[in-house]
Amino acid sequence: QVQLVQSGAEVKKPGASVKVSCKASGYTFTSYGFSWVRQAPGQGLEWMGWISAYNGNTDYAQKFQGRVTMTTDTSTTTAYMELRSLRSDDTAVYYCARKAWYYFDYWGQGTLVTVSS
Amino acid sequence: QSALTQPPSASGSPGQSVTISCTGTSSDVGAYNYVSWYQQHPGKAPKLMIYEVSKRPSGVPDRFSGSKSGNTASLTVSGLQAEDEADYYCSSYAVSNNLGYVFGTGTKVTVL
Repeated sequence: QVQLVQSGAEVKKPGASVKVSCKASGYTFTSYGFSWVRQAPGQGLEWMGWISAYNGNTDYAQKFQGRVTMTTDTSTTTAYMELRSLRSDDTAVYYCARKAWYYFDYWGQGTLVTVSS
Repeated sequence: QSALTQPPSASGSPGQSVTISCTGTSSDVGAYNYVSWYQQHPGKAPKLMIYEVSKRPSGVPDRFSGSKSGNTASLTVSGLQAEDEADYYCSSYAVSNNLGYVFGTGTKVTVL
């Protein structure tokens, strides 16, 4: 069965970087892409971007361009999302989701990133 | 790019139906049939309920159905059950450069 298992919660200071991982299993890794979606406390979902696990091509939401990098490692079937220059309003739960054509069919359990001085 | 507009809340008694709207523009909802819907219970990850406007993934009850007219998509939950109480989000591919996908503002469905 398809599973996406994310890394644990992180606490970071403003200006720091965070890198969240998403370990995939149960399917052919390179046949799908990954999107990253975040959810601030009590708020809605926000799409951050996506990466093709086939060729590494990326497409980032304009809001995050220059501050986010998404990568994949086919040898470990893991996707990564790094967000730099963290601010307090980056405090959120970050989800990875498998991108199947134009929708997201499986989601990780979420990783809480707290940005606080 | 603004979020798609959903009503903040909707409710119905067990067995009744509830319909949630998702209003976008000709650059997202109205541009392609790439609208999807996600259910999220408190503290849990979202779950895909509908994709490509009206298709149901395996395992999703046929009580859930989707449709679209112009720039507005809709999700209908028929025969409401207690476990349907959750937040629901629509999503659409957005045709504008570097915008990718946009989510709706979310609707809290309460089963009375």
